[in-house]
Amino acid sequence: DGGITQSPKYLFRKEGQNVTLSCEQNLNHDAMYWYRQDPGQGLRLIYYSQIVNDFQKGDIAEGYSVSREKKESFPLTVTSAQKNPTAFYLCASSFTYTGELFFGEGSRLTVL
Amino acid sequence: GQQVMQIPQYQHVQEGEDFTTYCNSSTTLSNIQWYKQRPGGHPVFLIQLVKSGEVKKQKRLTFQFGEAKKNSSLHITATQTTDVGTYFCAGLVPTGFQKLVFGTGTRLLVSP
Repeated sequence: DGGITQSPKYLFRKEGQNVTLSCEQNLNHDAMYWYRQDPGQGLRLIYYSQIVNDFQKGDIAEGYSVSREKKESFPLTVTSAQKNPTAFYLCASSFTYTGELFFGEGSRLTVL
Repeated sequence: GQQVMQIPQYQHVQEGEDFTTYCNSSTTLSNIQWYKQRPGGHPVFLIQLVKSGEVKKQKRLTFQFGEAKKNSSLHITATQTTDVGTYFCAGLVPTGFQKLVFGTGTRLLVSP
């Protein structure tokens, strides 16, 4: 079945540690995105990539980094520079940059 | 920056009652998309509206895009318990690069 796979689903991290969230898609989509969702709030864009080996900062990129070495993969690293990293992280992809988003099931990160 | 606001933030209805959520943008949008997120789940695409004044229906759901392409609404007729979740609008803002801006969401609770 085609879709987007995020891992891990739940992650606990100590302060000061970097953590990498995985996102893989087999939909053959060019565009991929990372969003952050906090309770009671909408989705805020962290990074997006329209094509392999290219990515752009979204609205809240500080403290995060990404790479896009393969079309299928768009991992997100939450660095120790991110001051409030506890959140629900959603990866998405779309066939075109302006099209329908397909979301993964999300990764819930808790910093202890 | 661009903002997309939704009202109400939360609504609790009895099964069979109607429900409407409204989405308002500070700027004109290229298109608007609607997503539904079930509790504990990820957003799922419902529909995309592109034309000024466009109205689309999906069974009990009616979506409208305003004439000025700055507002939109989702109306559910005769709600069912399966309608429970948070409904997000997402507007495509025609800046130098087009950006999808998510609304704050409306959480719907339906009592049997």
